[in-house]
Amino acid sequence: EVQLVESGGGLVQPGGSLRLSCIASGFTFSSYSMHWVRQAPGKGLEWVSYISSRSDTVYYADSVRGRFTISRDNAKNSLYLQMNSLRAEDTAVFYCARGCYASRGCWIDSWGQGALVTVSS
Amino acid sequence: QTVVTQEPSLTVSPGGTVTLTCASSTGAVTSGSYANWFQQKPGQAPRALIYDTINKHSWTPVRFSGSLLGGKAALSLSGVQPEDEAEYYCLLYYGGAWVFGGGTKLTVL
Repeated sequence: EVQLVESGGGLVQPGGSLRLSCIASGFTFSSYSMHWVRQAPGKGLEWVSYISSRSDTVYYADSVRGRFTISRDNAKNSLYLQMNSLRAEDTAVFYCARGCYASRGCWIDSWGQGALVTVSS
Repeated sequence: QTVVTQEPSLTVSPGGTVTLTCASSTGAVTSGSYANWFQQKPGQAPRALIYDTINKHSWTPVRFSGSLLGGKAALSLSGVQPEDEAEYYCLLYYGGAWVFGGGTKLTVL
């Protein structure tokens, strides 16, 4: 069974930093690309970042580029999101999501339960 | 900034049929947009339903189907069940970036 478990969320002041982690199990983590997706309270989904299976390709949404950094450690089955210069509008539940394997046009097939990040003074 | 637009809300009767659409501010949605659809119920993580415009995941109920309709991606539900009441999101690909639609709240009444 695919499991994605996020951690590292919490309350942080504007301008502060936070690092999210996602531990994967139940599949060969190193074979899959991964995404971070967020959802502000009562709002819709927003794609945040993508990393390929070997970390050779990363992409960011315009809203976080230059402030957030996605990374992974395949030996530890772990995905990370380093978030700097946080703003109130970054307050959201952050989901770790698995990309699809060898399926054209399939972007995400599994999701974690999410980690809440609150940016407030 | 690319905007993906969905109907904010739709209502359907149990057993009925409904179509949700997904439009792009950059022009017609095509097969190259590789539309994906997700279902999210309150308090839960999203669940993938459709990929590459028309393909179902192994767990997707047969009553869900994807298509292109009038320059938009579309998700159709036939024989709607009460448990289909949820928020539905489309996701489009823009060559190194992905954009979710704003979501459609589907009410089964």
